Amino acid sequence: DIQMTQSPSFLSASVGDRVTINCKASQNINKYLDWYQQKLGEAPKLLIYNTNSLHTGIPSRFSGSGSGTDFTLTISSLQPEDVATYFCLQHNSGYTFGAGTKLELK
Amino acid sequence: EVQLVESGGGLVQPGRSLKLSCVASGFTFSNYGMNWIRQAPGKGLEWVAYISSGSSYIYYAETVKGRFTISRDNAKNTLYLQMTSLRSEDTALYYCARSLRVAYRSWDYWGQGVMVTVSS
Repeated sequence: DIQMTQSPSFLSASVGDRVTINCKASQNINKYLDWYQQKLGEAPKLLIYNTNSLHTGIPSRFSGSGSGTDFTLTISSLQPEDVATYFCLQHNSGYTFGAGTKLELK
Repeated sequence: EVQLVESGGGLVQPGRSLKLSCVASGFTFSNYGMNWIRQAPGKGLEWVAYISSGSSYIYYAETVKGRFTISRDNAKNTLYLQMTSLRSEDTALYYCARSLRVAYRSWDYWGQGVMVTVSS
């Protein structure tokens, strides 16, 4: 089974900061990595699919990059509404979720 | 507006059965693959099952294979999950989620979830 290691687990940043969240796969997952945002009490929301494809309606401050085993979600300029938990999902072989990154405002 | 509304959850004893429903609106249901995904309390997410738009392709997680059955009624815009031989480890919030048309293993809209508690 593929393991996903997501870091950091917790992140505190200020409005306007550039924020990066990482996911590392235990083996090559090609481009098959998605990023989701989940706010407290809400369903997850797709941000990025297949490494770097921005889902419809998602602000352009969100972007994804990487390949193979190392992937990154970047928020170019943090906004207050971005406070949430973010998690990655690999779907190259089965499905494996990252443990999540809780993002809060400093 | 795309909406997915789950129902049918509740408290059930181990070994018993339960059937979840997910009513879709705001899009052409028959054009999309659908999924069930669950989240146990305090735990991470787990994909449970997938059904293609016309029910030709169905896949299950190993943890539920042989016990759960995913199905759909395109005339009623409804997705189902029949759960049998329930175990305590099936206790979770169950979400239905729509697959992207261009990448069926990615999920673009999710319902709010329905809670299933398996306990005696």
